[in-house]
Amino acid sequence: SQLAEENSWALSVHEGESVTVNCSYKTSITALQWYRQKSGKGPAQLILIRSNEREKRNGRLRATLDTSSQSSSLSITATRCEDTAVYFCATDNYAQGLTFGLGTRVSVFP
Amino acid sequence: EAAVTQSPRSKVAVTGGKVTLSCHQTNNHDYMYWYRQDTGHGLRLIHYSYVADSTEKGDIPDGYKASRPSQENFSLILELASLSQTAVYFCASSTRNYAEQFFGPGTRLTVL
Repeated sequence: SQLAEENSWALSVHEGESVTVNCSYKTSITALQWYRQKSGKGPAQLILIRSNEREKRNGRLRATLDTSSQSSSLSITATRCEDTAVYFCATDNYAQGLTFGLGTRVSVFP
Repeated sequence: EAAVTQSPRSKVAVTGGKVTLSCHQTNNHDYMYWYRQDTGHGLRLIHYSYVADSTEKGDIPDGYKASRPSQENFSLILELASLSQTAVYFCASSTRNYAEQFFGPGTRLTVL
């Protein structure tokens, strides 16, 4: 079973709206990372949030972490068409690096 | 500009043939990784390496070998390609085991 997983397969929003992707994980972590993968490209990191942090921001992106419920969320405000991508959460796995969730496809329509 | 590059970008192979996927990084990173991506499975770790001339098994190593001849280069080898190995393969590098990973553009492998 997945050690990290996003809670939705796909989300659709209109430009300008906000969207939130949720992630749950099953192990203790030192940090959780959010990645974005655009069509035909490799994933790229958006935010790294450490286990002692509750919130982290990066421009229009806001990540939260709740270690008690082992969950995280990534919110994107004022969405743009170029935010259309698959979003992954990834948790550290001491033995082998990162474990990625299955991803949530976010589609932003004009 | 530091980067992770992969070659080839796409390949068609025959069942039972040998396939070598190559990865080169200019990030000066110690760690390198090979993942495969399939619809519905996300990214799954095949092999990784934290030093030249040494490789480690990931979550799905069966049917794959890896080679790290230098810090910059990391190859994935399919000795006997099978239909089930049709996927997109990504290489990544990082400074340490659970730091940010920098991914290459991927190689689309089709085994017929």
